Amino acid sequence: GAGVSQSPRYKVAKRGQDVALRCDPISGHVSLFWYQQALGQGPEFLTYFQNEAQLDKSGLPSDRFFAERPEGSVSTLKIQRTQQEDSAVYLCASSLAVGQLGQPQHFGDGTRLSIL
Amino acid sequence: KQEVTQIPAALSVPEGENLVLNCSFTDSAIYNLQWFRQDPGKGLTSLLLIQSSQREQTSGRLNASLDKSSGRSTLYIAASQPGDSATYLCAVRNNYGQNFVFGPGTRLSVLP
Repeated sequence: GAGVSQSPRYKVAKRGQDVALRCDPISGHVSLFWYQQALGQGPEFLTYFQNEAQLDKSGLPSDRFFAERPEGSVSTLKIQRTQQEDSAVYLCASSLAVGQLGQPQHFGDGTRLSIL
Repeated sequence: KQEVTQIPAALSVPEGENLVLNCSFTDSAIYNLQWFRQDPGKGLTSLLLIQSSQREQTSGRLNASLDKSSGRSTLYIAASQPGDSATYLCAVRNNYGQNFVFGPGTRLSVLP
């Protein structure tokens, strides 16, 4: 597609429920990133994929967070047993080929998650 | 651990003014630095990307400079317009990682 697409745009869940957030990167982009953005703050790194391989998950805040990209394209971020502190905007970004670290990251509009 | 700060946190200027936004980072071992714009409820729009070997990049009314040794970057906006109102974020990519480390942003309001 023309840009990075994320769905849903808004998600409201009760504490304890599981949620799944979807990211569809720009076609041909090898690298995919997930970030978490709290209100009034800059995004914070969660995890990084190169094709289907999850190469860095150091930013995931707990083992309740799980991300996958099984076919090297669409990615899903899953949060199990949601807590109120999980409320944030979750941003997905993609960039061009591996090895070209100079390529810019392109961001989607994010999913705003609210945990009640 | 890389830390990125931005000054000021918020800025309000009348239309037509030239302005400078500042970004500082603690670890100079960066691969590149990217400036983004974020409108309320939206994702990030890339404005300028500066490689570590570059000193500045220009796009229209925007000019970004990079002084890697001192850990600083500035974003210069000429002849500001109300449509420039947004939050401006800088982010650095370290030599040893793939992800960006973001600053907290500068919230800009340009008054008509």
